[in-house]
Amino acid sequence: DQQVKQNSPSLSVQEGRISILNCDYTNSMFDYFLWYKKYPAEGPTFLISISSIKDKNEDGRFTVFLNKSAKHLSLHIVPSQPGDSAVYFCAASSLQTGANNLFFGTGTRLTVIP
Amino acid sequence: DAGVTQSPTHLIKTRGQQVTLRCSPKSGHDTVSWYQQALGQGPQFIFQYYEEEERQRGNFPDRFSGHQFPNYSSELNVNALWLGDSALYLCASSLRPDNNEQFFGPGTRLTVL
Repeated sequence: DQQVKQNSPSLSVQEGRISILNCDYTNSMFDYFLWYKKYPAEGPTFLISISSIKDKNEDGRFTVFLNKSAKHLSLHIVPSQPGDSAVYFCAASSLQTGANNLFFGTGTRLTVIP
Repeated sequence: DAGVTQSPTHLIKTRGQQVTLRCSPKSGHDTVSWYQQALGQGPQFIFQYYEEEERQRGNFPDRFSGHQFPNYSSELNVNALWLGDSALYLCASSLRPDNNEQFFGPGTRLTVL
């Protein structure tokens, strides 16, 4: 039972344009959401997060939007750079199951074309 | 400041064997969680260790067990290996179990033949 879903396995974007990565979840108890970036042969690296009490969080070129009614979140990267090419995982947690018990999506491979 | 380290990097075992994977948390962290990432999937939570005890567990059978040592390092043990256990095993550490910010190691790639 996949509680966090990333329906786009891959995404290609031109350098300088916006990258939008999407994530849907089914468990309404999730109250904290995170995005991780993963390069080959490395572990996931934390990118940005958002609490369910907010609908937007921004950090430099990265912005995460949360739509609780639609159970949907998205990661916007503006402008996209070739170094952003990686696999991006969406993850969620709840107080009920614990902050460290992250439920991950299957990932979206982002390719930024120079 | 060393990040999360894991050993070994790669491991090949045969069905029915047992394996032990090791993890050293990021300096200052006291909580370790283990995840299994099968090919093409996202990481799946196995269990979490804090104060040398298993605090939470995901949907994994008893063949998966662990240990945390007084220096906060941790081991993941898998008994009676079968083909489906082939995966990347990730260790993540945090300061306290209620901290959302986890730092991941590079993982151990286990292949079961």
